[in-house]
Amino acid sequence: NAGVTQTPKFRVLKTGQSMTLLCAQDMNHEYMYWYRQDPGMGLRLIHYSVGEGTTAKGEVPDGYNVSRLKKQNFLLGLESAAPSQTSVYFCASSPMGAGTSGEKLFFGSGTQLSVL
Amino acid sequence: DAKTTQPNSMESNEEEPVHLPCNHSTISGTDYIHWYRQLPSQGPEYVIHGLTSNVNNRMASLAIAEDRKSSTLILHRATLRDAAVYYCILRSSGAGSYQLTFGKGTKLSVIP
Repeated sequence: NAGVTQTPKFRVLKTGQSMTLLCAQDMNHEYMYWYRQDPGMGLRLIHYSVGEGTTAKGEVPDGYNVSRLKKQNFLLGLESAAPSQTSVYFCASSPMGAGTSGEKLFFGSGTQLSVL
Repeated sequence: DAKTTQPNSMESNEEEPVHLPCNHSTISGTDYIHWYRQLPSQGPEYVIHGLTSNVNNRMASLAIAEDRKSSTLILHRATLRDAAVYYCILRSSGAGSYQLTFGKGTKLSVIP
């Protein structure tokens, strides 16, 4: 059981380039999330999804887009990368939604992204 | 999510119990209290969560104050592997509930 898998683990981009981060979970979870973590900071929510075909904005959505075409996958896209997007990106999934007894977030190991 | 307050850092001796506090004075009646931890260079890991009653699992115990305005994560016997940043967060349902922000947490150092 792999849990939550993120690819790639590391990436270096030039300003203006685009890329897609892939998050895959094999636990049949409905809820999926993308976070970014900057040095010395906690995690901030970028976008989330409450089910296949749905997405919603989090705290810091600008400059990012997401898609959830399949239940097990949640893609995070950067259309025109900027140095301010240099960060570690974490994906998470949960079987139940926020504020329920069954909510438990499972995180991937992260993607280190550098934008030059 | 309601705001939580944690100390920036704590130290513990190996094999000693550790009590990590969290204040959440604006908690609502339906907010769940969650704890996660993040080891160096890894993603966060679920530790425990509860609503009103104290909770125990294989990793830790969660003690919730009677008025629910504070809680304490208890590691019964700290090991070197427990050195991590511990995050206390509140989770609620309803409109806007999926906004989830982890604060800076408490950095726990374990001394051999």
